[in-house]
Amino acid sequence: AQKVTQAQTEISVVEKEDVTLDCVYETRDTTYYLFWYKQPPSGELVFLIRRNSFDEQNEISGRYSWNFQKSTSSFNFTITASQVVDSAVYFCALSERSYNTDKLIFGTGTRLQVFP
Amino acid sequence: GAVVSQHPSRVICKSGTSVKIECRSLDFQATTMFWYRQFPKQSLMLMATSNEGSKATYEQGVEKDKFLINHASLTLSTLTVTSAHPEDSSFYICSASTGEKQFFGPGTRLTVL
Repeated sequence: AQKVTQAQTEISVVEKEDVTLDCVYETRDTTYYLFWYKQPPSGELVFLIRRNSFDEQNEISGRYSWNFQKSTSSFNFTITASQVVDSAVYFCALSERSYNTDKLIFGTGTRLQVFP
Repeated sequence: GAVVSQHPSRVICKSGTSVKIECRSLDFQATTMFWYRQFPKQSLMLMATSNEGSKATYEQGVEKDKFLINHASLTLSTLTVTSAHPEDSSFYICSASTGEKQFFGPGTRLTVL
């Protein structure tokens, strides 16, 4: 069965610190997609990244970077030089393809608080 | 990027009433829409998958007679919570899929008194 584990429930950092959010997944599929979403206090989910199972290259987008390690089934997310605006709940998700639709299975989320 | 809207954003209703929530993809056609429920400080749980012109597929444990889903067009899906009770109070989020990406609506906060 598919499962996403985000072991860190809450993380608090001071502005400008780097922070890494962990994500471990389980799946029997050979083709799958992994996602990260940000949910600020307003509630709306903000898409951050989508990565397919065949692409293990790390990705950097500004202060955000992602490390995909298939060998350990992990897809970790690092924020460099964190800012107060980064405070949010971050969800890692795995897509389960079913009849050509993408059912997303979410982790329990990590609440990040960045203090000034 | 693609935009998905939800209406209403907040609703408060009395126990026993029915509430309809609309989800619209504003600038693209979505063959598939998803409905999620999120309890406070918890994760998003998929309730059902909605395909245009066909019956919704419900996840295990979700009552199809209580949560009625209609996907009448490629840009609109509705979720009706029938005979709502306080335990149905939650944050309901829809998403619309292009087949490659899911775009999420802003959510609807339902409070049942």
